[in-house]
Amino acid sequence: ETGVTQTPRHLVMGMTNKKSLKCEQHLGHNAMYWYKQSAKKPLELMFVYNFKEQTENNSVPSRFSPECPNSSHLFLHLHTLQPEDSALYLCASSQFYRDRGLSNQPQHFGDGTRLSIL
Amino acid sequence: DQQVKQNSPSLSVQEGRISILNCDYTNSMFDYFLWYKKYPAEGPTFLISISSIKDKNEDGRFTVFLNKSAKHLSLHIVPSQPGDSAVYFCAASNRVYQGAQKLVFGQGTRLTINP
Repeated sequence: ETGVTQTPRHLVMGMTNKKSLKCEQHLGHNAMYWYKQSAKKPLELMFVYNFKEQTENNSVPSRFSPECPNSSHLFLHLHTLQPEDSALYLCASSQFYRDRGLSNQPQHFGDGTRLSIL
Repeated sequence: DQQVKQNSPSLSVQEGRISILNCDYTNSMFDYFLWYKKYPAEGPTFLISISSIKDKNEDGRFTVFLNKSAKHLSLHIVPSQPGDSAVYFCAASNRVYQGAQKLVFGQGTRLTINP
């Protein structure tokens, strides 16, 4: 059983649609992440949120728009996607200790959303 | 430019024997290393990690070894069990002072344990 829940598990959308992916973590963590895994490629970090603030945007196209309303929820809003955006999108969370200045805590992943762009 | 590499896409081991999965990295600034295990249709599950101040970390049947001079780490599973059959990912991160960690992943190694 995972402490990080992603919905939906599968999503098929056209290139002109707008949809959102949702992630919720039940681990009390304060950092959340979006990753993309394309076929035959390693997981790639997309966005990092730390205490609800975006601290990293890994050169992701603007057709992907993240939102973090609180430390337990993370969204990825999708619009006018391209066929090459078809991939597995994974959410993760971890605990970041700001006062220690380090963040060597493991990230815990959800089961992902399999996205297909028609 | 792949900073974390798992050069063996697959590995087959007999049940009860030792499984050794390898990972190489190029960035000498990496100071925290992790192994994840992934079953089909599930997200990666954290297995074990090691900080760069150590060269070995053990947790039950799983041991991770770090050789900083060679920029190499390995995961040993002993004894191997059928439930260990999965894809294993190596990941690494830099020390981060301002934000949360940025993990860089390898391509994964598919481990198959044969009865």
